[in-house]
This record gives sequence, structure tokens and C-alpha cells, in this order.
Amino acid sequence: DQQVKQNSPSLSVQEGRISILNCDYTNSMFDYFLWYKKYPAEGPTFLISISSIKDKNEDGRFTVFLNKSAKHLSLHIVPSQPGDSAVYFCAAYRNTGTASKLTFGTGTRLQVTL
Amino acid sequence: GAGVSQSPRYKVAKRGQDVALRCDPISGHVSLFWYQQALGQGPEFLTYFQNEAQLDKSGLPSDRFFAERPEGSVSTLKIQRTQQEDSAVYLCASSLLPRYDTDNEQFFGPGTRLTVL
Repeated sequence: DQQVKQNSPSLSVQEGRISILNCDYTNSMFDYFLWYKKYPAEGPTFLISISSIKDKNEDGRFTVFLNKSAKHLSLHIVPSQPGDSAVYFCAAYRNTGTASKLTFGTGTRLQVTL
Repeated sequence: GAGVSQSPRYKVAKRGQDVALRCDPISGHVSLFWYQQALGQGPEFLTYFQNEAQLDKSGLPSDRFFAERPEGSVSTLKIQRTQQEDSAVYLCASSLLPRYDTDNEQFFGPGTRLTVL
């Protein structure tokens, strides 16, 4: 049962344009949603997160939007830069009091072209 | 560098062999996680330690998988009698605090790529 889904395996965007990465989830009990970025042969690195009680969080060029009614979140990167080329994972967490395990989507490979 | 380190980075095993994967978390981090990432998939949770206590092992796929963190720092993931379906990247992550909040980021190591022939 895939609780976090990223339906686009890849995305190509021109430098300077907006990149929009999408994520859907099925578990309404998730408390936090996160985006991780992964370069080849490296572990994922945290990018930005949003609490389930918020609908938007912004950090520099990165903005995450959460639509709880649609169980959908998106990551906007503006403007896109070649260094943003990586695999982006959407992840979610439910605060159970002890373990804080993350449930990941399958990832979207972003290619920013010159 | 004070990041999470993992060794070996690559491991090739023959089917039926036992393997041991090591994780050195960031010093002082209370929480330690193991994830398994199959090809083309996202990381999937295996197990969680809070200091030396293994509080959640619900993601371990079979009793061939065993993890330990005896002194609350370094952790080892052991896979006995490896099978081809165990081929994956095994990621370790650590975080400073026991619970997740927006300031308690999970820092990931580079992973160990296990190939079972």
C-alpha cells in the first residue's frame, strides 16, 4: 500500500523557469510532510517541510504547498537552476510519540536544462 | 566532516552469505534509523533506535534481518542468508532528538549498495 505517491518519475525544466513537483498521499493522519533532494551516490538531504496545519511554507527559492482536502502537496522551485537537477522525494511523518519514521514516495527526477 | 558515514559503500555477496553493514551516526544523535531503498523506489523504513533501545522494528522484512546499536552510537545491520531480493541501497539516518519536529531533521548517510548474486 503506497501511502505517499509521486506519479511523475521525471521532469525537465529550463533554467530560470518554475519547477513544480507533485505528491499525493492517502493517510490523513500524517502530521508533517517533507521534501528531500538526492544526488547520485549520496544520501537524501532535507530541503523543506510543512506541518499538516499549514498550507504553505517558503524558504528562499523553495515553496511547499499543502492541500489537505485533496491530500496533495507540491514543491515549487523558482527560479530553477542547473544545480537543482536531482531526484526529489516527498516524505511524510506521523507523530506517534516514539518512532519518527518517514514514509517516502518513489521520487521524481528533475533535470534543469540550460 | 561530521556527517553520517556508512561502510562499506558497496558490497557484493553470494546468495546465502551473511553480511554486516555499519552506520556511524552524527555524534550525540539520539535517534538512528535504517531504510532500504530498492531500485527505482523510495527509501522504506526498516528499524529505529533511540539510543541503544530498538523501539520499532516493524519494517524488517524477515527474521534474517537483525540490527543492533549496543552502545547507543554505532549501529550494525546484519542480513543472514542473503537472497537476491535483498539487493538494495541500505540507508542510515540519525537525528538529534527522539521525536520529530521541524528542527529535528534526519541526516542521511550515503548508503551501502548491496548486490546479492
